[in-house]
Amino acid sequence: DVKVTQSSRYLVKRTGEKVFLECVQDMDHENMFWYRQDPGLGLRLIYFSYDVKMKEKGDIPEGYSVSREKKERFSLILESASTNQTSMYLCASTINRAAFFGQGTRLTVV
Amino acid sequence: DQQVKQNSPSLSVQEGRISILNCDYTNSMFDYFLWYKKYPAEGPTFLISISSIKDKNEDGRFTVFLNKSAKHLSLHIVPSQPGDSAVYFCAASMVNDYKLSFGAGTTVTVRA
Repeated sequence: DVKVTQSSRYLVKRTGEKVFLECVQDMDHENMFWYRQDPGLGLRLIYFSYDVKMKEKGDIPEGYSVSREKKERFSLILESASTNQTSMYLCASTINRAAFFGQGTRLTVV
Repeated sequence: DQQVKQNSPSLSVQEGRISILNCDYTNSMFDYFLWYKKYPAEGPTFLISISSIKDKNEDGRFTVFLNKSAKHLSLHIVPSQPGDSAVYFCAASMVNDYKLSFGAGTTVTVRA
């Protein structure tokens, strides 16, 4: 089974904090993605990576950055958290054009 | 501009009956379509997919139909079970691209 693990299920952070969301996959997949899910908006792509040290902006990259130093790990960074970044964050890796997701991180920025 | 649209935010169906979820897309470059199921506080789970070279794909109780000329796909769940109560997302990707574009989701409630 594909295993995608996100480091936290729930996080509460203060406005202005730097926030790190970690994601690890154990299937040696090259492609990894970060999405956020908001009611009525579905899943929106923040950043993605097709290889180590490679990153590409998705549809809503503003306020975020990413890091991929190792193939199995893809980190999402909120440079200065704001209340409009309160959301469910979902990491995924892909094989054969199907994405497999982690359990999600519910981030609340207060 | 959302390229994948699920126009029904919710669907209520009786246990044992058929659930039909609909999805429309606007980008003619999409050639691969997927359905995901999501429970609250969990990540989406892959359900079923279909390539644009097919018009139907079946897996147990789940069948996906694709109408390329109408840019429309649907997911049929027969028979519906209480455990099917979840949010269902339609997704699509283009040739040689691993990025997925998602619809807004449809919340399915299966009534006993």
